[in-house]
Amino acid sequence: AQKITQTQPGMFVQEKEAVTLDCTYDTSDQSYGLFWYKQPSSGEMIFLIYQGSYDEQNATEGRYSLNFQKARKSANLVISASQLGDSAMYFCAMRVPPGYALNFGKGTSLLVTP
Amino acid sequence: KAGVTQTPRYLIKTRGQQVTLSCSPISGHRSVSWYQQTPGQGLQFLFEYFSETQRNKGNFPGRFSGRQFSNSRSEMNVSTLELGDSALYLCASAGQGNSPLHFGNGTRLTVT
Repeated sequence: AQKITQTQPGMFVQEKEAVTLDCTYDTSDQSYGLFWYKQPSSGEMIFLIYQGSYDEQNATEGRYSLNFQKARKSANLVISASQLGDSAMYFCAMRVPPGYALNFGKGTSLLVTP
Repeated sequence: KAGVTQTPRYLIKTRGQQVTLSCSPISGHRSVSWYQQTPGQGLQFLFEYFSETQRNKGNFPGRFSGRQFSNSRSEMNVSTLELGDSALYLCASAGQGNSPLHFGNGTRLTVT
C-alpha cells in the first residue's frame, strides 16, 4: 500500500520569502508519480507540479519547484517569493499506475503574512 | 476548454435517504475519479472509472457506488445516508499518460 506523509499541519511565511513544504512517501512500486495540489478556502483543487519517479531532474513550474530525493522518498514543494494569494492548504499526492487514483497526504495549511 | 463540472454544488439530505452526484469531465478525458474530503479523514479516494469500467476502488462500503456513461460523464450514488457521509465530494478527470487530475469545484453534502 502507498502512504503519503505531510508532517507540517501548519506553516507561516512572510511575503516574498521562500518556503518548503515537506512530503514523504512510501511505496514498493518503481513507477509512480508525485503531485502537489493547492486548495484555497474556496475548495477548488489546483494542480501545481508533477514529478515522475524516473525523472532525473527536479520539476519546476514558475515559482514552484519540487525537491525530489528518491532514495529518501521525499518530494518537498518549494515556493519561492511567497505571495499573499499563496495562503491555502497544500496536498502532496501519489499515483501508482495503472489508473489515475491519487493517494493524498493530510495536507499543510500555509499562511503568508505581510 | 471547459473544466470539470460537478452538480449540484450543495445538497442537504436526511439520514437514510439516497443521493446522486453528477460530474462532467473535461472534453476528451476518459478517466473520472471521485474523492471524499472530510476534516477528520482528509481526502480519500472512492473510485475511478475509465471508458465506462470501474478501474480502481477505494475502501468504502457498498453504499457508495458509481457509474460512467459513454460520453464519460459520471455519477456517484450514496444510499442509506449516514451523518458521517457529510463531506465535500470531489470529482476529477484525467487525460493520458502522466497528465494531472483536474478537479471540479465539488459537491458539499450535508446529512442531517
